[in-house]
Amino acid sequence: AQSVTQLGSHVSVSEGALVLLRCNYSSSVPPYLFWYVQYPNQGLQLLLKYTTGATLVKGINGFEAEFKKSETSFHLTKPSAHMSDAAEYFCAVSLSGNTPLVFGKGTRLSVIA
Amino acid sequence: NAGVTQTPKFQVLKTGQSMTLQCAQDMNHNSMYWYRQDPGMGLRLIYYSASEGTTDKGEVPNGYNVSRLNKREFSLRLESAAPSQTSVYFCASSKATGTGGWSYTFGSGTRLTVV
Repeated sequence: AQSVTQLGSHVSVSEGALVLLRCNYSSSVPPYLFWYVQYPNQGLQLLLKYTTGATLVKGINGFEAEFKKSETSFHLTKPSAHMSDAAEYFCAVSLSGNTPLVFGKGTRLSVIA
Repeated sequence: NAGVTQTPKFQVLKTGQSMTLQCAQDMNHNSMYWYRQDPGMGLRLIYYSASEGTTDKGEVPNGYNVSRLNKREFSLRLESAAPSQTSVYFCASSKATGTGGWSYTFGSGTRLTVV
């Protein structure tokens, strides 16, 4: 069975600083990996996903993530944090498109002015 | 707009009452899912339906039932609500895309409070 671990339930960064949100997964087969963002009292918005091909994936709002099979990781980064990035971020894994996403517990990102 | 529609958006129930959360998608997706979201727990799978006519339990199915009414609709029923079922419920659907990936679409959620 798959599982996802997000290191750090809360991450705080200064505006303009690097954002790094960590995600490690376990899967018995090559996984498909996703990052979602949730703004307060809203639904989930897809930031980016890795299915096959290039291991560095670029998403919306300047975020990107790199799939590292040897480290079973899919960390999310953004070079320069903006106040509008404050939200909760979820990493998720699935085996295929008709199987459920398995989510991590989430990381709340705070951006300090 | 195309997507996943959940109703209602908000609901308050008394302990022991029953209710059905409705979910419909108009994207011709085969698979549909129900999740609950609780603080610090992420989203946990309640039930899913890989295709019309099939349903399977997820991580936290106790106290819930589901019905895949047709390809578009997937409902979640609480037969006797308990305070522990206070949560935000999300419905989602998925389909393989032409590029070899998959697309998961989420509804906007139902915020349920059981008192």
